[in-house]
Amino acid sequence: KQEVTQIPAALSVPEGENLVLNCSFTDSAIYNLQWFRQDPGKGLTSLLLIQSSQREQTSGRLNASLDKSSGRSTLYIAASQPGDSATYLCAVRSQGGSEKLVFGKGMKLTVNP
Amino acid sequence: EADIYQTPRYLVIGTGKKITLECSQTMGHDKMYWYQQDPGMELHLIHYSYGVNSTEKGDLSSESTVSRIRTEHFPLTLESARPSHTSQYLCASSESGWNEQFFGPGTRLTVL
Repeated sequence: KQEVTQIPAALSVPEGENLVLNCSFTDSAIYNLQWFRQDPGKGLTSLLLIQSSQREQTSGRLNASLDKSSGRSTLYIAASQPGDSATYLCAVRSQGGSEKLVFGKGMKLTVNP
Repeated sequence: EADIYQTPRYLVIGTGKKITLECSQTMGHDKMYWYQQDPGMELHLIHYSYGVNSTEKGDLSSESTVSRIRTEHFPLTLESARPSHTSQYLCASSESGWNEQFFGPGTRLTVL
């Protein structure tokens, strides 16, 4: 059974720091991995999607990497800003045609001005 | 930004009432999903659809039902709401295949 873990559960940093958010998964047979952002009381905003054949994806100040064999993904946020404050979730889709995205519990990020 | 909409955004209702949560998308996506999320917890898939007239149950057992009569519309219904149904319900859609999922803003349901 696929399990996704995000540690730590919360992180508070001063503005301007470069951040690394971690995601680990127990079954390396994944189809893809997706990073989301969730603001309080809101839905999820898709940030990056990495296919299992890819090693990384970049969008603006965000860079996500995938190491399938070790069951890990990291989301790198460069030059953090107060507007980056949100909960970040990762989710994996396992191989075998499953419709199910398995989510982690998320990491709550606070960037202080 | 994805064009997927959910109404109502917030709903407070008494036990025993029938409710329908609406979800619509204008992207022409074949696949649509309903997730349930309790505060501080993971999202769990409760229903999904491959297209018109297709509905399947997800991982998490739910007393809700869904229908897919039109591509763009995927409503979720609770025939008799109970306090245990209090949660946030998130709708999502994606193109065919195993592509990126786009989420709506969610409906926060409170059953008294």
